[in-house]
Amino acid sequence: EDKVVQSPLSLVVHEGDTVTLNCSYEVTNFRSLLWYKQEKKAPTFLFMLTSSGIEKKSGRLSSILDKKELSSILNITATQTGDSAIYLCAHPNYNQGGKLIFGQGTELSVKP
Amino acid sequence: GAVVSQHPSWVICKSGTSVKIECRSLDFQATTMFWYRQFPKQSLMLMATSNEGSKATYEQGVEKDKFLINHASLTLSTLTVTSAHPEDSSFYICSASQRRISYEQYFGPGTRLTVT
Repeated sequence: EDKVVQSPLSLVVHEGDTVTLNCSYEVTNFRSLLWYKQEKKAPTFLFMLTSSGIEKKSGRLSSILDKKELSSILNITATQTGDSAIYLCAHPNYNQGGKLIFGQGTELSVKP
Repeated sequence: GAVVSQHPSWVICKSGTSVKIECRSLDFQATTMFWYRQFPKQSLMLMATSNEGSKATYEQGVEKDKFLINHASLTLSTLTVTSAHPEDSSFYICSASQRRISYEQYFGPGTRLTVT
């Protein structure tokens, strides 16, 4: 059974800090890994990773995949209070119509 | 583009009653729709996958007679929670995909259900 595990489950930092969130996966037929940010409502898409070693970047957020280690990290530099959210990592299972297998999420709280 | 709406955004109902939640793709045709449930401080758990015109495929442990899913058109899927109980109180989120096999899912804003 496909499995996605995130760590830490929660994290409290101060504004300006840099954080690294982890996602590891154990899946059959890997094709991609997705990162989402969830505030009060539904998740919003951040990144899709398919190739090892290629960093995806959007502003202060970046993410990279390591297929050898079966893992991915999401980095946020110079954190702001608006970065407070749950960050979710997911694997789309293409054998089952692309359904998303989510990790437990990391709840990030950025204090002023 | 690719907007998904859900209605209602929140609902309170009494134990034993049924509640229907609608999920609509506003500007695209959704071949596949997914229904998720999320408890506080937890991740999204897939409940079922529905393809337009077919019966929904439920995940293990999800009662199909309790959570009725209908995907009668390419823009609308409904989830009906029948004989709701307080333990059904949760955040229900739908997502929609334009293709049967695709990672690209567009999420609705979610429906907060509270059963008293």
